[in-house]
Amino acid sequence: KAGVTQTPRYLIKTRGQQVTLSCSPISGHRSVSWYQQTPGQGLQFLFEYFSETQRNKGNFPGRFSGRQFSNSRSEMNVSTLELGDSALYLCASSPWTGGTDTQYFGPGTRLTVL
Amino acid sequence: QKEVEQNSGPLSVPEGAIASLNCTYSDRGSQSFFWYRQYSGKSPELIMSIYSNGDKEDGRFTAQLNKASQYVSLLIRDSQPSDSATYLCAGTGTASKLTFGTGTRLQVTL
Repeated sequence: KAGVTQTPRYLIKTRGQQVTLSCSPISGHRSVSWYQQTPGQGLQFLFEYFSETQRNKGNFPGRFSGRQFSNSRSEMNVSTLELGDSALYLCASSPWTGGTDTQYFGPGTRLTVL
Repeated sequence: QKEVEQNSGPLSVPEGAIASLNCTYSDRGSQSFFWYRQYSGKSPELIMSIYSNGDKEDGRFTAQLNKASQYVSLLIRDSQPSDSATYLCAGTGTASKLTFGTGTRLQVTL
């Protein structure tokens, strides 16, 4: 089976812009979770989607949003980018629930905000 | 208090030795625990999952869970230079969210 794929792999944006990241889960997996990883904060949970519904949400401002499509592919959007949004954004998929099931990570999207 | 805590390290062990990585968690309702390995510039990859008290062995890796004391550990036997990485402990709390520790950096020296 192909692994989790994320596009784009690298992105450079300027403050105030918005960005959309894409994630395709492992075939058959229905749960997609998103994480932000920074050197100072580590891996922080953004949100989880299952069957096109947001099932869980982390402590991030409303500028961070996401959605999931009927084929389980997911996108996350960050509006009005800030310098502090520079991070590695990781997507992970699991068969059912991202909480108790094993999650498989994609390669990540490295976002740099200038 | 962070929900999942790990010593950031670095933990330095000689090749062939046992590396012991520890993690504590605060949510007593946590049921599922995972150890991930992350090489620099790469994404995390699963090493072990553990759900019940006791030990779980897989090759050179042994995960240990003690729910009464709220700690999880990972032992790596016969450590190899290729084991040098950051090890992330994660647990699922009552909110069904997977929470990660900040990771312990392991260095295996020749």
